[in-house]
Amino acid sequence: ETGVTQSPTHLIKTRGQQVTLRCSSQSGHNTVSWYQQALGQGPQFIFQYYREEENGRGNFPPRFSGLQFPNYSSELNVNALELDDSALYLCASSLVTAIYGYTFGSGTRLTVV
Amino acid sequence: KQEVTQIPAALSVPEGENLVLNCSFTDSAIYNLQWFRQDPGKGLTSLLLIQSSQREQTSGRLNASLDKSSGRSTLYIAASQPGDSATYLCAGTPENSGGSNYKLTFGKGTLLTVNP
Repeated sequence: ETGVTQSPTHLIKTRGQQVTLRCSSQSGHNTVSWYQQALGQGPQFIFQYYREEENGRGNFPPRFSGLQFPNYSSELNVNALELDDSALYLCASSLVTAIYGYTFGSGTRLTVV
Repeated sequence: KQEVTQIPAALSVPEGENLVLNCSFTDSAIYNLQWFRQDPGKGLTSLLLIQSSQREQTSGRLNASLDKSSGRSTLYIAASQPGDSATYLCAGTPENSGGSNYKLTFGKGTLLTVNP
């Protein structure tokens, strides 16, 4: 059974640029969620994807967008990067009912300069 | 809006001590609750999941309980070891969310240091 894999592990971008982060879900899971974790804080929910559609969204602006593919993998896209977007971005996979909880990846550390 | 408080924010103990980490939710209508461990700069490792029909879970030296009436959870670590040093996060999904329990709400975590 494979876990959740995220790429890249680290990324440095310039303010105003765009970035795409990738996530492969755990085998058997059909839902992917994305979280942003600032230094010293708990992860904050960005959005969730199920059946290739957004299934819930947190308090993040539209420049945060995502995709889910037929194999349940997912992308997080952030446009017009701001310095405050610097954070650890975590991907979690689950069943849509979350009955067995969530499995997280190792994260992508994004630094915006 | 659900908010999660974890107490204490930081804890330093000598090796071998038993310890308790606390977590409380402003809205006690919790569907599932998970405890995670996070090493510095790393992702989250799931430790224990308490499902909606359960009140307690155990794995090795770890025991987690959930009191749904008060919205409080505790994580008990027995005979702590230096390798237990990490940040411990609790998170819950809401009981009523339009049919899909999609959002984990996290506390800020407890930073645990176990000294040899």
